Amino acid sequence: QVQLQESGPGLVQPSETLSLTCVVSGYSISSGYYWGLIRQPPGKGLEWIGSIYQSGSTYYNPSLKSRVTISVDTPKNQFSLKLNSVTGADTAVYYCARQRLRGSTPFHFDLWGQGALVTVSP
Amino acid sequence: DIQMTQSPSTLSASVGDRVTITCRASQSISAWLAWYQQKPGKAPKLLIYDASNLESGVPSRFSGSGYGTEFTLTISSLQPDDFATYYCHQYNSDFSFGGGTKVEIK
Repeated sequence: QVQLQESGPGLVQPSETLSLTCVVSGYSISSGYYWGLIRQPPGKGLEWIGSIYQSGSTYYNPSLKSRVTISVDTPKNQFSLKLNSVTGADTAVYYCARQRLRGSTPFHFDLWGQGALVTVSP
Repeated sequence: DIQMTQSPSTLSASVGDRVTITCRASQSISAWLAWYQQKPGKAPKLLIYDASNLESGVPSRFSGSGYGTEFTLTISSLQPDDFATYYCHQYNSDFSFGGGTKVEIK
C-alpha cells in the first residue's frame, strides 16, 4: 500500500536550516497527485507549508514563502523541505501528505505520513 | 488568505449522541472543504471531501454539509472510537485549516 515516511534531524539550532525528506513507497511520485507538507506545533492546530507537483511546480504558504523551498526527486521517489532561519516557533511535528488533483489543481490531502517532530533549540 | 473558524473548540458528549461541528470560512469557498479526524500522536485522517462526499472506508455515521461560508460535520451516533479532534480544511484558495474541535467524553 502507499506510504509516506518523513525523515529529519530531530533537533535544529536557531537561525539554521531545517531539512526534511518525505519518501513515498508503493506509488510513483511521477504518476500524478501533488505532494504537500503540513506542520503542527505541539498542542496546536495544522498549518499548510507548501505543495509540489512532479514537474517541480510549487505552491507555498504566503506567510512562510520567503523561508521555504520544496523540491522533488522523482528517481528517488521523494520530496524535500528546506526551511531557513528557524526559530522556536518552527518547532512542530512535520507531516508529508498526498494531495488529490482536479485537473491540474491540488485539492485536499488524502493520505498522510506518521509525522516527524522537529525541535528548534540551542 | 481565507480564515477558517471552527466551533465549538471543545465538545463533551456521550456514546450514542448526535454531534455537530461547525466551520465558517471568511469568504466563500464553494464546496471546497474537507474534514479530518486526528487522534493523539497520530496523523490526521480524511473523513469528508468536497463538503459532503464520504471518503472510502469511513463509517456512514459521518456526514458533511454546507456551501459557501458555512459547513457542518455531523456524527449521527457517537462511538467510542470517535473521541478525537476534528479539523476542517479549505482548498478553494491556497490551503488553510480550522483551529480544531476536540470531542471528549462527557
